[in-house]
Amino acid sequence: DQQVKQNSPSLSVQEGRISILNCDYTNSMFDYFLWYKKYPAEGPTFLISISSIKDKNEDGRFTVFLNKSAKHLSLHIVPSQPGDSAVYFCAAKVRGTGNQFYFGTGTSLTVIP
Amino acid sequence: NAGVTQTPKFQVLKTGQSMTLQCAQDMNHEYMSWYRQDPGMGLRLIHYSVGAGITDQGEVPNGYNVSRSTTEDFPLRLLSAAPSQTSVYFCASMPYGREDEQFFGPGTRLTVL
Repeated sequence: DQQVKQNSPSLSVQEGRISILNCDYTNSMFDYFLWYKKYPAEGPTFLISISSIKDKNEDGRFTVFLNKSAKHLSLHIVPSQPGDSAVYFCAAKVRGTGNQFYFGTGTSLTVIP
Repeated sequence: NAGVTQTPKFQVLKTGQSMTLQCAQDMNHEYMSWYRQDPGMGLRLIHYSVGAGITDQGEVPNGYNVSRSTTEDFPLRLLSAAPSQTSVYFCASMPYGREDEQFFGPGTRLTVL
């Protein structure tokens, strides 16, 4: 059973507006969460991460929010740019387990100029 | 640095054939992993390694074998290909002690007829 889920397969947003991508997880042992971005015909690239001791982490236009009680995290992109159009994967792991990551199903973001 | 390289980029097999997907990294990373990406399923971990001589199973290991004789190389073997193994395969590496950023290769698109 999928332990990390992204319930929206796709999202369209106007350039300059906010993009909000959502992710839910079921395993309460997960304590480290990440977002990856993937362009067609390329491998995923790391975007931003958050530890369970925080509820927010920012990096430029990208902010990840974590709600541990709801087992929910979200990625906010403000302002959205056409170059942000890609598939976004959330991932989760238990800290200290090295490279045992569990990925979500992905959300395809289209930013309309 | 070439980063993570994967060969071949594309491959078509017939049911029952065997083959090896190659993965190499030149960053001296201890951790390496293999994922498959399928529509609606996201990225799923097949096998992973925390160093030369050490491998372990991920979420979907059946039908695949791995070995890690050197730090640089982490080949994935399909013993008897099945149509259910049609997928895009990604190899990733990460330095020991990191919790977040994996470096992915460009992927191998495999079709099993």
